[in-house]
Amino acid sequence: GAVVSQHPSWVICKSGTSVKIECRSLDFQATTMFWYRQFPKQSLMLMATSNEGSKATYEQGVEKDKFLINHASLTLSTLTVTSAHPEDSSFYICSAGSLVSYEQYFGPGTRLTVT
Amino acid sequence: QKEVEQNSGPLSVPEGAIASLNCTYSDRGSQSFFWYRQYSGKSPELIMFIYSNGDKEDGRFTAQLNKASQYVSLLIRDSQPSDSATYLCAVNPNNNDMRFGAGTRLTVKP
Repeated sequence: GAVVSQHPSWVICKSGTSVKIECRSLDFQATTMFWYRQFPKQSLMLMATSNEGSKATYEQGVEKDKFLINHASLTLSTLTVTSAHPEDSSFYICSAGSLVSYEQYFGPGTRLTVT
Repeated sequence: QKEVEQNSGPLSVPEGAIASLNCTYSDRGSQSFFWYRQYSGKSPELIMFIYSNGDKEDGRFTAQLNKASQYVSLLIRDSQPSDSATYLCAVNPNNNDMRFGAGTRLTVKP
């Protein structure tokens, strides 16, 4: 399967600061990338879908001004959590998909802790 | 009604037995279906995908799809303790988006 990386794998930040998470598809061009959030013992929740070169589409209830997504190239998407608060502490996972196949391949995830 | 429904479990089977995981979905027009495995603290890993009605086998795993019943299942033969994980069913209703079930937690006891 395709390889997707995320950086950082974990981050601790203070309340009010911003955190950027990078998602890279290493061996294929991802026309679409997805950002998910997962709280402990809960399922994946899709936050937004980003297509290369266009604005991200956010799921209902996800604040687009708080979770900034940029998909500048076919191999890189970034998620910036602005003015983070303790309730934003979660496991953030990206996935990449292509038009050729319908599978999504997940990155290893980023565990964010806001103190 | 949730878009993708799974029994949350836990499902417990003895080592060597067959584990059967089930999933139903609401969008009748869905075309592609996926099973992911997620170990605790890790991100999901794609196990299998299936597009056509019937069975698809890959090693110890068999995915079964019945579009008329809007039902997809995953069978794991000769279950091993290392198969203990949460299994996520995912449905791609419009070939761009993907909707996940809440997952079924499987425990394989030695």
